[in-house]
Amino acid sequence: DSGVTQTPKHLITATGQRVTLRCSPRSGDLSVYWYQQSLDQGLQFLIQYYNGEERAKGNILERFSAQQFPDLHSELNLSSLELGDSALYFCASSVEDRRLYEQYFGPGTRLTVT
Amino acid sequence: DAKTTQPPSMDCAEGRAANLPCNHSTISGNEYVYWYRQIHSQGPQYIIHGLKNNETNEMASLIITEDRKSSTLILPHATLRDTAVYYCIVRETSGSRLTFGEGTQLTVNP
Repeated sequence: DSGVTQTPKHLITATGQRVTLRCSPRSGDLSVYWYQQSLDQGLQFLIQYYNGEERAKGNILERFSAQQFPDLHSELNLSSLELGDSALYFCASSVEDRRLYEQYFGPGTRLTVT
Repeated sequence: DAKTTQPPSMDCAEGRAANLPCNHSTISGNEYVYWYRQIHSQGPQYIIHGLKNNETNEMASLIITEDRKSSTLILPHATLRDTAVYYCIVRETSGSRLTFGEGTQLTVNP
C-alpha cells in the first residue's frame, strides 16, 4: 500500500459524458501527478500540481483538466469522452517538486468508455 | 530525458538472481537512473535509483557502469511475486515527470 488513494476503482460511462477522478496523496506530500496508461500509448504523464499550483504539463488533452485543492487532494476531470479515453489513470505523489524524491503511485482508476 | 533501451522480456527461475539490463548511452551528467516496476495493472512501484555509484536497498541492487551508459537491476532471489514489467528511467535532477518506455516483462518461473 503506497498511501495514495484513488476513487473510484472502476468507472464505466458513455461517449460524450464527463467524469471526475479523485486522488488523495500520501500524508505530507505536496506534489500530485496524473498519468494515463492505455494499451497503445503506454504510461504517459499528463499533469503535475504542487501545493495547489500547476507545475508541469504533459500530453494532456484540452478536454481534460485537473486541479489540486487546499487539502492537497486532486481531481482529474475528463469531458466529451471518446472511446480512446478508455485507460487506466494513475495518480502519484511525492514530497517536493523538482527534487529527486521518488513518486508513489496509487492503485489507479480504470475508465471504460462505451 | 535520455532515452533508454531494455529487452522486451526475460525469464528467471524462482530463487535465482534476476539481472535486468538497461542501456542509456546518451545519459548526461545530471541525470539519475531510476527503476520502477508494475505488477499487472497495479500502480508502478519505485524500486531504486542512482547517479554513478552502485546502490542497494531491501528490494534490489543497482549496478551502473563507470561510463554510466548502462546499468543493471539485480533482484538477488527472485520470487513469483517479482513477475512484473520493470521500467528503467533516466531523469534529470530538476525534472519532475517520469517518462516510461516499454520496459522489460520479467517472468519468474517456479
